[in-house]
Amino acid sequence: AQSVTQLDSHVSVSEGTPVLLRCNYSSSYSPSLFWYVQHPNKGLQLLLKYTSAATLVKGINGFEAEFKKSETSFHLTKPSAHMSDAAEYFCVVSAKRAAGNKLTFGGGTRVLVKP
Amino acid sequence: DAGITQSPRYKITETGRQVTLMCHQTWSHSYMFWYRQDLGHGLRLIYYSAAADITDKGEVPDGYVVSRSKTENFPLTLESATRSQTSVYFCASSEPASGGETQYFGPGTRLLVL
Repeated sequence: AQSVTQLDSHVSVSEGTPVLLRCNYSSSYSPSLFWYVQHPNKGLQLLLKYTSAATLVKGINGFEAEFKKSETSFHLTKPSAHMSDAAEYFCVVSAKRAAGNKLTFGGGTRVLVKP
Repeated sequence: DAGITQSPRYKITETGRQVTLMCHQTWSHSYMFWYRQDLGHGLRLIYYSAAADITDKGEVPDGYVVSRSKTENFPLTLESATRSQTSVYFCASSEPASGGETQYFGPGTRLLVL
């Protein structure tokens, strides 16, 4: 069994300040972890993924996430928020199965960026 | 480079009608998925397919039917639409055979059932 908990349903930051989106997971297997972003009325876009290589993963648009096995966390950060970062972010865990990779989504964190 | 497309993008229908949502991908990915997105539930898997003519149920399959006669297409049918099926539906694809766990998502179909 696997599950994902995004600890904040909403995050509000000022433009130019750091962004931190928190994610904790549980998985019976060595997981792969993803962050997806969804802009209003758009589909989901992959930001970054962790697949058991380097624990610090760099993604697109200046985002990065650190896999911490001891804390079962995969928090997403960005040093300086931009107005275009206003969106909903999903932390996702994947477990390989014989029939394919099942994705389990967190509930999402909606980010508001204030000018 | 079309990627993965969904049609229609918006649909309004009435309770009891049959509705088919289309999904098409140009990457020849073997796996395809259908999700629904609802407030408070995130994305939930409805059905998935490992290859043409191979489909399996996900977390919330009741009231839905899928088929996959061709690798590139994965239509989702609501046999008799209900108000509870009002949602945003996303199709996705992936290619695990080449080590690709990443799922790539279409733009979504917004369905309103009156």
